[in-house]
Amino acid sequence: QVQLVQSGAEVKKPGTAVELSCTASGFRFTSYYYHWVRQAPGQGLEWMGIINPSGGATTYAQTFQGRVTMTRDTSTSTVYMQLSSLTFDDTALYYCARAALEWDPTAGYWGQGTLVTVSS
Amino acid sequence: EIVLTQSPATLSLSPGQRATLSCRASQSVSSFLAWYQHKPGQAPRLLIYGASNRATGIPARFSGSGSGTDFTLTISSLEPEDSAVYYCQQRSNWPYIFTFGPGTKVDIK
Repeated sequence: QVQLVQSGAEVKKPGTAVELSCTASGFRFTSYYYHWVRQAPGQGLEWMGIINPSGGATTYAQTFQGRVTMTRDTSTSTVYMQLSSLTFDDTALYYCARAALEWDPTAGYWGQGTLVTVSS
Repeated sequence: EIVLTQSPATLSLSPGQRATLSCRASQSVSSFLAWYQHKPGQAPRLLIYGASNRATGIPARFSGSGSGTDFTLTISSLEPEDSAVYYCQQRSNWPYIFTFGPGTKVDIK
């Protein structure tokens, strides 16, 4: 079955960077796009970006341009998201998600979420 | 940048009633519109993609319609477990850019 397992909670200081991972299993890793989405406390869902694991092409939301980097390791079926220059506003639950279908990039399967807390 | 607005912000209905949620885009998104259900402590759940296609395992009481700038999610007969926040999401063609709407909270009385 489709599984996306995300790395554990992180506590970071302002100005530093965080890297989250999301390991996929139960399907062919390179056949689907992957997203990163976050939800800050009391806020709605915010789309951060997408990566095509077959080649590594990425697109990022304008809000995160210059601060986010998404990569993948096909040998371990893992996607990564690095967010730099953290501020208190980056405190959020971060989700990775896989496209529902090979031919449609819409996110259909989600990881359990990783809590990132930015605190001094 | 395409902006999505959702209405109403909150919907309070009883079990068995029909819920109609609206999502409007600031410019045409064709049929590249999805709906998600999000409950506290859970990951979001894809309900509808391509404006009107139910995702795998989604009950038939959920339906989506619309194209261009105006979209609707209908829950034909509310169940207590449908209490959640519902988000619409649009995407562009490649390079893919997605945006979420602000959400509609559905309370089941």
